[in-house]
Amino acid sequence: AQKITQTQPGMFVQEKEAVTLDCTYDTSDQSYGLFWYKQPSSGEMIFLIYQGSYDEQNATEGRYSLNFQKARKSANLVISASQLGDSAMYFCAMREWSGGSNYKLTFGKGTLLTVNP
Amino acid sequence: GAVVSQHPSWVICKSGTSVKIECRSLDFQATTMFWYRQFPKQSLMLMATSNEGSKATYEQGVEKDKFLINHASLTLSTLTVTSAHPEDSSFYICSAGETEVTYEQYFGPGTRLTVT
Repeated sequence: AQKITQTQPGMFVQEKEAVTLDCTYDTSDQSYGLFWYKQPSSGEMIFLIYQGSYDEQNATEGRYSLNFQKARKSANLVISASQLGDSAMYFCAMREWSGGSNYKLTFGKGTLLTVNP
Repeated sequence: GAVVSQHPSWVICKSGTSVKIECRSLDFQATTMFWYRQFPKQSLMLMATSNEGSKATYEQGVEKDKFLINHASLTLSTLTVTSAHPEDSSFYICSAGETEVTYEQYFGPGTRLTVT
């Protein structure tokens, strides 16, 4: 079973509008972390935002905010005031402990966001 | 933020040869480094986790003898693709982990491997 589900293979948004990218996760751990990364065509992974499972407030980083609904196991990314440079692939990821002091990230399949002028 | 470099950024090799990819944490010590593989239009798949001074932990389905990982120091991990074949052509990305509250991983820029 998928641990991270991103149901939107592609999304389009008009420049200056807001867009929400969906992410649901599955874990039985009490302690976990949720990340969003941006991957432009160059391939580099750019960290956007982090939400810890015990954080009560939704994380925000500039134009990015994470809508964390723990009971629903969702961690949607909201990008406000979209810019042309936001066009990229976006990955949701979950950090879980994999035994002892080791941990790892599991990624969703990604959402390709296209910002139209 | 922390910087992770990878070398080379791209490499073309002939089938049957071996290729070494280096991953370095430039301004911090990384006790843990991760290697991912990403095929075109797909997600990142974790190949292995390496801890400095110990053997790497490979994910299920990843051939240990084919993808050799060495984490000899707190700033360097290497991935060697042995006897490469065209199906090994992919984008290989490393990341280095820190032990701060977020346990964030800092990603390298990736290495594009093409095996002809």
